[in-house]
Amino acid sequence: SQQGEEDPQALSIQEGENATMNCSYKTSINNLQWYRQNSGRGLVHLILIRSNEREKHSGRLRVTLDTSKKSSSLLITASRAADTASYFCATVLLSGNTPLVFGKGTRLSVIA
Amino acid sequence: DGGITQSPKYLFRKEGQNVTLSCEQNLNHDAMYWYRQDPGQGLRLIYYSQIVNDFQKGDIAEGYSVSREKKESFPLTVTSAQKNPTAFYLCASRYQGALSYEQYFGPGTRLTVT
Repeated sequence: SQQGEEDPQALSIQEGENATMNCSYKTSINNLQWYRQNSGRGLVHLILIRSNEREKHSGRLRVTLDTSKKSSSLLITASRAADTASYFCATVLLSGNTPLVFGKGTRLSVIA
Repeated sequence: DGGITQSPKYLFRKEGQNVTLSCEQNLNHDAMYWYRQDPGQGLRLIYYSQIVNDFQKGDIAEGYSVSREKKESFPLTVTSAQKNPTAFYLCASRYQGALSYEQYFGPGTRLTVT
């Protein structure tokens, strides 16, 4: 079963703009992760945020987590054409020793 | 170079034939996973294994089988019982410790059954 739901399903922006993607989930989690997938390729891990963290940064990425609302957001600042990809959130359930449960993803297009 | 390899990248089969997808990792990871991805969709878990000689069904295990005879290898067989086998298949692995939950993915195998 898919735990996460990303919003929007697709996003198109101009190079240099910021891109924000949201993820909602249903049950209590140990951590939430964001992955990127270029077309026809495997997924690449971007960032992990634990349930006791509220915000995390990595380069141009900023992730927030609101466990009371069961939601997370991924912000990509100053987007580049190379950021064009699908972005997935994935959760690890509270026990910690479970497979990742993925959402359906947000397709981001950055237009040069 | 450490990583996960999947072969082949593209695979074509006739309906009614079983086909085995290869997944090998040299990361010394304990856990390995198989996911299926359909166009425009997220990843759905087929099978996973947290230790050699043991594996568990995921959400969509029907029509698939796996083995885990070696830590490095987790092949997936798509059987003729799988109704809609055409899809993109992704293998992943991760270290089983509590401090690391990141999954590493292979490049995927695109299976087309006609």
